[in-house]
Amino acid sequence: GDSVIQMQGQVTLSENDFLFINCTYSTTGYPTLFWYVQYSGEGPQLLLQVTTANNKGSSRGFEATYDKGTTSFHLQKTSVQEIDSAVYYCAMKDSNYQLIWGSGTKLIIKP
Amino acid sequence: EAAVTQSPRNKVAVTGGKVTLSCNQTNNHNNMYWYRQDTGHGLRLIHYSYGAGSTEKGDIPDGYKASRPSQENFSLILELATPSQTSVYFCASGDGGLGLYEQYFGPGTRLTVL
Repeated sequence: GDSVIQMQGQVTLSENDFLFINCTYSTTGYPTLFWYVQYSGEGPQLLLQVTTANNKGSSRGFEATYDKGTTSFHLQKTSVQEIDSAVYYCAMKDSNYQLIWGSGTKLIIKP
Repeated sequence: EAAVTQSPRNKVAVTGGKVTLSCNQTNNHNNMYWYRQDTGHGLRLIHYSYGAGSTEKGDIPDGYKASRPSQENFSLILELATPSQTSVYFCASGDGGLGLYEQYFGPGTRLTVL
């Protein structure tokens, strides 16, 4: 069945470092992929949506790329700031139009 | 602005007691969802609904019931709460039509079962 794997449980960076978070997916159809961000004390909120039509999206300085060959999708940001500290989730729409979620990556930014 | 609210925000319950978590959305979305969030597991889907009167089982429905009496309201019911149900619960709404798969989340309910 459909699945999403997010291996990095926690990433610790300093301000102005480069961020790269990776997820892999498995599906028999065409994937619609998402990145959600969850700030402390809040619910998750959509950061980026990536479809096969675009295979790249950007928002708030973040960029998402999608590689059909390796069935992976990545979230990256050139220069992280302390306000980017949050948990980042990758997700994929399944055949029932529900979301399959990765386990989340906690991003810690050292000031 | 999309709005999903949850009540209560915090709840302490006793083992074997009944717990009801409530969710209200003003987005006029057809779909609503209940998730639980635990460290190391991310978000896991408990129940969801396609509209008033509909409830569907998600990935981990055991020990939970759901009720969708109206477009706006979706409740999660723990008939016999257990300590393993201690978690943070999130409600979300969304509308899967026209390729819009974004889900809008409430602020969460922290449930502790003693």
